[in-house]
Amino acid sequence: DSGVTQTPKHLITATGQRVTLRCSPRSGDLSVYWYQQSLDQGLQFLIQYYNGEERAKGNILERFSAQQFPDLHSELNLSSLELGDSALYFCASSVVAGVTGELFFGEGSRLTVL
Amino acid sequence: AQKVTQAQTEISVVEKEDVTLDCVYETRDTTYYLFWYKQPPSGELVFLIRRNSFDEQNEISGRYSWNFQKSTSSFNFTITASQVVDSAVYFCALSEANNAGNMLTFGGGTRLMVKP
Repeated sequence: DSGVTQTPKHLITATGQRVTLRCSPRSGDLSVYWYQQSLDQGLQFLIQYYNGEERAKGNILERFSAQQFPDLHSELNLSSLELGDSALYFCASSVVAGVTGELFFGEGSRLTVL
Repeated sequence: AQKVTQAQTEISVVEKEDVTLDCVYETRDTTYYLFWYKQPPSGELVFLIRRNSFDEQNEISGRYSWNFQKSTSSFNFTITASQVVDSAVYFCALSEANNAGNMLTFGGGTRLMVKP
């Protein structure tokens, strides 16, 4: 158990819909990262927050957005969903802002868009 | 730009065989960090090791060992006397210290199947 909690574990929705994925980092971790794992793109970095502020952006679509709340939990919002958004979405956390140490990954939220 | 290549998409071995997973990376930074993660069938990503670019010492942890060679930009992972429980997808990853994005770039992964 990494200490990172993601909900929901599984989600099935239709094209055009909007979903929210939630992540609670390990206790004491200030940095949260979101990654997308799909069959064709592999594991891709989406976005990072550190202590409530956006720190870095990767290959995140404009239809996607995220935020980190004062209690440090984070949410990833995916809107106008397309079939290609079906993927496993991981949240990870770390104490520091940079990836110089271990990232602790949650179990992922599997999104299926029909 | 940073890049990680795991040329072996799938490897199948019989239990007790030794197996080496290859990882080649590209980076322009002199300070960077290399990682290996394991993704078992249950789906979570499990951290195995981190190595910084200034530490080329090989490391052994039980049946696992890692060979870091800057001269060939490789960070290979060997499992000795493989077991069925080692069956998983293994990812090599890279982070550049000067990368303002602080992101971890993953290779495509190597699926290891250990047969009894």
